[in-house]
Amino acid sequence: GEQVEQRPPHLSVREGDSAIIICTYTDSATAYFSWYKQEAGAGLQLLMSVLSNVDRKEEQGLTVLLNKKDKRLSLNLTAAHPGDSAVYFCAVSGRVVGQLTFGSGTRLQVYA
Amino acid sequence: EAAVTQSPRNKVTVTGGNVTLSCRQTNSHNYMYWYRQDTGHGLRLIHYSYGAGNLQIGDVPDGYKATRTTQEDFFLLLELASPSQTSLYFCASSGDWGAFSYEQYFGPGTRLTVL
Repeated sequence: GEQVEQRPPHLSVREGDSAIIICTYTDSATAYFSWYKQEAGAGLQLLMSVLSNVDRKEEQGLTVLLNKKDKRLSLNLTAAHPGDSAVYFCAVSGRVVGQLTFGSGTRLQVYA
Repeated sequence: EAAVTQSPRNKVTVTGGNVTLSCRQTNSHNYMYWYRQDTGHGLRLIHYSYGAGNLQIGDVPDGYKATRTTQEDFFLLLELASPSQTSLYFCASSGDWGAFSYEQYFGPGTRLTVL
């Protein structure tokens, strides 16, 4: 089945700097790609999602890049601020309808 | 606003104990999911359902049963709890899968400790 690797597990950046999180996946049939944010003590919330026909998407200081050739998905938080401190997960879906496969998560800390 | 609630929020039981985790969604979604979250593993799918009476096996189903009694309610059952099932459990719901309906809405989680 689908395997998703996410890195780095921990990331610490200064306020105003960018933070980049990367996921690689194994199934070439993967068609849906998403990023979720989990704040302390809460469930996950969707940040952004793209379908396989999109290479780049930007929204509100976030950029998602999809490289289908390398099976790589990335999330770039430009100009990070302390409110971005949270755990971030990638989640992808392909062959099995109704299922998402999650990465292992990246704990991001943004310090002033 | 989509709403998924879980109860209890915290539960402590002993090895061999019987535990039921409850989830209710008011989104009118057909799909509901149970995940467990463990450090280093992210979220792993235990069971899911696409309607009342339906049950699908996820990636880590061993030791868990689930039942979907209505469109709104999905239960996770641990009939003989073991310490390896100590974890943070999340319920989620989503609409029918299609080009624009993959988003999952998560509950706040239940922290289960098995002593």
